[in-house]
Amino acid sequence: QKEVEQDPGPLSVPEGAIVSLNCTYSNSAFQYFMWYRQYSRKGPELLMYTYSSGNKEDGRFTAQVDKSSKYISLFIRDSQPSDSATYLCAMSARRGSSNTGKLIFGQGTTLQVKP
Amino acid sequence: DTGVSQNPRHKITKRGQNVTFRCDPISEHNRLYWYRQTLGQGPEFLTYFQNEAQLEKSRLLSDRFSAERPKGSFSTLEIQRTEQGDSAMYLCASSNSDYGYTFGSGTRLTVV
Repeated sequence: QKEVEQDPGPLSVPEGAIVSLNCTYSNSAFQYFMWYRQYSRKGPELLMYTYSSGNKEDGRFTAQVDKSSKYISLFIRDSQPSDSATYLCAMSARRGSSNTGKLIFGQGTTLQVKP
Repeated sequence: DTGVSQNPRHKITKRGQNVTFRCDPISEHNRLYWYRQTLGQGPEFLTYFQNEAQLEKSRLLSDRFSAERPKGSFSTLEIQRTEQGDSAMYLCASSNSDYGYTFGSGTRLTVV
């Protein structure tokens, strides 16, 4: 079993829809949770960052972390065709003398927003 | 300094040849990471540098792989005796905090 599980999709929605993307994880040491967006043949771009549990909102994007369920979500409101990309969740354990901060990524979910 | 720079963007090589990739991180970032990404998968951690010290290597990094970061500035990743299974996107990222990384655009390696 992978440490981080993410449904690869593809997910296709009409423009303006609310999109929900999710990841589950097994390692209770994860404290830092991130969402990256990756366009074809480009490097991942950091979208949202959350430390520990809770919600964080940035414009049309909302990130949620439920550590009790080991479940994280990214919501995209009023989705646009330009949101079409692969969305990767990523996690890191708490920092400490032996923690390098390396990220463990999910497989990525491919999203297509149709005009 | 607008981001993490990786060169070359694409590399096609014959099986058995050696290849070297370069990464120039954001100048004030002391942490540098290399990841490998294959089609349809998320990036997988390869190695980590704090300044010039290589502090962690994944077991994915076989003896044919070596990475350096002289003087804590740019980094190179070398693959010796390339195999078809090495074909992937090699991503470099840098950071100076816990708030995620900045990735480069990657080097796409094709071994024929």
